[in-house]
Amino acid sequence: NAGVTQTPKFQVLKTGQSMTLQCAQDMNHEYMSWYRQDPGMGLRLIHYSVGAGITDQGEVPNGYNVSRSTTEDFPLRLLSAAPSQTSVYFCASSRTGGRGNNEQFFGPGTRLTVL
Amino acid sequence: KQEVTQIPAALSVPEGENLVLNCSFTDSAIYNLQWFRQDPGKGLTSLLLIQSSQREQTSGRLNASLDKSSGRSTLYIAASQPGDSATYLCAAGSGNTGKLIFGQGTTLQVKP
Repeated sequence: NAGVTQTPKFQVLKTGQSMTLQCAQDMNHEYMSWYRQDPGMGLRLIHYSVGAGITDQGEVPNGYNVSRSTTEDFPLRLLSAAPSQTSVYFCASSRTGGRGNNEQFFGPGTRLTVL
Repeated sequence: KQEVTQIPAALSVPEGENLVLNCSFTDSAIYNLQWFRQDPGKGLTSLLLIQSSQREQTSGRLNASLDKSSGRSTLYIAASQPGDSATYLCAAGSGNTGKLIFGQGTTLQVKP
């Protein structure tokens, strides 16, 4: 299993540009989520999905959109990039969300800089 | 609101020492607690997951305990090695969203 994969690894954007961060998992996990990691702020939940066709907002959703058309993929879209979105983005997946055997596995991250 | 705190923020020890990393959480209504390792510039690697009904989990030289009543978890690393140098994060799972609340991490340096 490749586990959780993310592309690209690095990205530089100009303010106002849009882009999609890709995330895929091959473990047939129902639950997927996106976090951002910032110095002094730790990891914060952006959006999550409990299954194909179902998404919901996390702690810091503004400026980001998600969709979940398949179990495997959970892309994160930046609509109009702002310097405040400079961060490291991690995708995670687990068999289920909430209670039960829900050990979460993280991807290697995408390091995004917005100029 | 759940808050997770890790103390100390940084720790430097000589090789071979046994050490304990601390994690505290404010809301005891968690369904699990997960420990991760993060190397510089890398992603998070899951180390141990403790369900709310469990007291501890072990993997090799690592042992994690959970005391919900006191709001504490500890990660015990036996016979530390330079390869253990990394940032260790704990995260509490609570609510119905699958959301993990992370601590700020403890950065460990093991000197040869």
